[in-house]
Amino acid sequence: GESVGLHLPTLSVQEGDNSIINCAYSNSASDYFIWYKQESGKGPQFIIDIRSNMDKRQGQRVTVLLNKTVKHLSLQIAATQPGDSAVYFCAETLSGYSTLTFGKGTMLLVSP
Amino acid sequence: EPEVTQTPSHQVTQMGQEVILRCVPISNHLYFYWYRQILGQKVEFLVSFYNNEISEKSEIFDDQFSVERPDGSNFTLKIRSTKLEDSAMYFCASLGTARDEQYFGPGTRLTVT
Repeated sequence: GESVGLHLPTLSVQEGDNSIINCAYSNSASDYFIWYKQESGKGPQFIIDIRSNMDKRQGQRVTVLLNKTVKHLSLQIAATQPGDSAVYFCAETLSGYSTLTFGKGTMLLVSP
Repeated sequence: EPEVTQTPSHQVTQMGQEVILRCVPISNHLYFYWYRQILGQKVEFLVSFYNNEISEKSEIFDDQFSVERPDGSNFTLKIRSTKLEDSAMYFCASLGTARDEQYFGPGTRLTVT
């Protein structure tokens, strides 16, 4: 979902469910994309990345999908756990060392 | 595992005062960044720094802001005359090579009263 103003879209799931968090990015020239997890009071923490020459990349319990045609990223978390509760941001950049442009974030709430 | 550190964790200052936020990037990293996050909003880029000079800056990074790498380990952000709207979390990040992701510090919460 997309956020409006100060209110983050929220995804509420039960422990053990699979979660899908979506992000629309802005620059069709971006070639490197990252998902970050941010817990309350902490800095963004790297989860997984993908380059524009790929459309899917898998990590441990996480998968990122990239659809360049519609400038869309998604993060899939398998068997979501309460410790996954956080705000998730996608970020895009033109090259590996260039500045990151962050999306608006989605809050994931996992209940036991 | 190496990490980016930031001090202080929380800084309270009065409007018009100067503040210096400090960061120690990961030791072999070459690219350094400052971002800020106003409460409840997304993370916004401020400035990037490479080879002892600013490589890119955003519209937010006006003349009140400056960055410095005074020695081989520290990377600082100075705000000369703070405004109420400077209240935010400020994150430092560093990057080793163009093939890596940026590593973020835990942030400094700046409160301007």
